[in-house]
Amino acid sequence: ETGVTQTPRHLVMGMTNKKSLKCEQHLGHNAMYWYKQSAKKPLELMFVYNFKEQTENNSVPSRFSPECPNSSHLFLHLHTLQPEDSALYLCASSQVLTSGTDTQYFGPGTRLTVL
Amino acid sequence: AQKVTQAQTEISVVEKEDVTLDCVYETRDTTYYLFWYKQPPSGELVFLIRRNSFDEQNEISGRYSWNFQKSTSSFNFTITASQVVDSAVYFCALSEDSGSARQLTFGSGTQLTVLP
Repeated sequence: ETGVTQTPRHLVMGMTNKKSLKCEQHLGHNAMYWYKQSAKKPLELMFVYNFKEQTENNSVPSRFSPECPNSSHLFLHLHTLQPEDSALYLCASSQVLTSGTDTQYFGPGTRLTVL
Repeated sequence: AQKVTQAQTEISVVEKEDVTLDCVYETRDTTYYLFWYKQPPSGELVFLIRRNSFDEQNEISGRYSWNFQKSTSSFNFTITASQVVDSAVYFCALSEDSGSARQLTFGSGTQLTVLP
């Protein structure tokens, strides 16, 4: 496996289900991100993990719960979602430097449909 | 606050035509970074280029070229002799200088359709 992988690629769930999205990066990076991409909206950053510590949470509802057990894996746990949560969920990783900025590399995304 | 504007929502061209995708940004930082990503129908955002605010040299990579002009806060992307495989959504993005993980500020994207 190379780059950033995400599973599953497609997920359909009911509003009462609990599911998890998985992201794995094979680039040796130290930061990982979750983004949400809804139709006709810009990409929205949800969570940032830097050295396994969550550094940003952009006012995301508690029905989304991230987990970063190590610098290579990132999960997004989902429970009691709403139909408006249907979207493409993208994971990214980067190598944070002491100065300058990093380039984020993205996975293929999970297309989530909430019924 | 940072902002990226991609005024062209959709562009349609015929194969072999040249096409320019516009990107205008706003930032108060003196040091910042600009990016272009391509999102084909498969969904993955593919990194194309990154430039920092101190390097205004234009860049060419094959059929792709980028024109960075600080005076107009623009970072435009040109595809020469477009091909059907270039059909995708293209995003321009901005980030500030930082020693920690930072979010990218994305534009709303331009849907490019190249017709055979």
